[in-house]
Amino acid sequence: DTAVSQTPKYLVTQMGNDKSIKCEQNLGHDTMYWYKQDSKKFLKIMFSYNNKELIINETVPNRFSPKSPDKAHLNLHINSLELGDSAVYFCASSQAVDTQYFGPGTRLTVL
Amino acid sequence: GEDVEQSLFLSVREGDSSVINCTYTDSSSTYLYWYKQEPGAGLQLLTYIFSNMDMKQDQRLTVLLNKKDKHLSLRIADTQTGDSAIYFCAESSFMDTGRRALTFGSGTRLQVQP
Repeated sequence: DTAVSQTPKYLVTQMGNDKSIKCEQNLGHDTMYWYKQDSKKFLKIMFSYNNKELIINETVPNRFSPKSPDKAHLNLHINSLELGDSAVYFCASSQAVDTQYFGPGTRLTVL
Repeated sequence: GEDVEQSLFLSVREGDSSVINCTYTDSSSTYLYWYKQEPGAGLQLLTYIFSNMDMKQDQRLTVLLNKKDKHLSLRIADTQTGDSAIYFCAESSFMDTGRRALTFGSGTRLQVQP
């Protein structure tokens, strides 16, 4: 009965490839987020969706495209992967602007 | 943009109290949070405090908020080796879009010596 789950946990790929990370929450929340944590552990918001509508897009390259098929899912697709995309990506969810609950993270390594 | 600042490292002996400090800039923050990240793991919500409160206590954790100075602290009593982790302070602040999101500090790595 995991609250916020992400797949895969680890992703290793070559530069130039396209990859997706999936996120699901079973908390009944209406808002979901993607955060990026770099090698220095700095966490930064990338996107936020509320009721399947994009409400935050924080200066993220167009190669990153979030997709929310329904309120319980927010997937992240990345085109033409670059070395600098290597990071840990965290999904989170909340009810409106209430407390956010985080998934376990996906460690992406681009070779 | 809004900033949240924390010291990077804290080392304490087992059984001592740990105090992790944080300063933030967004005076409109309604909630302030402490998250814990153990090695290789995700972020675990530890506690939070509403901006109209000065203090919140939850078992070994005490959060103090000085809204005038925009200073938040987390005190862990009787620190255990299992408390070794990175602790993130976060404020709920407005983005350029007018929507709220969490702005995180850089994290404080707490090392507990046996």
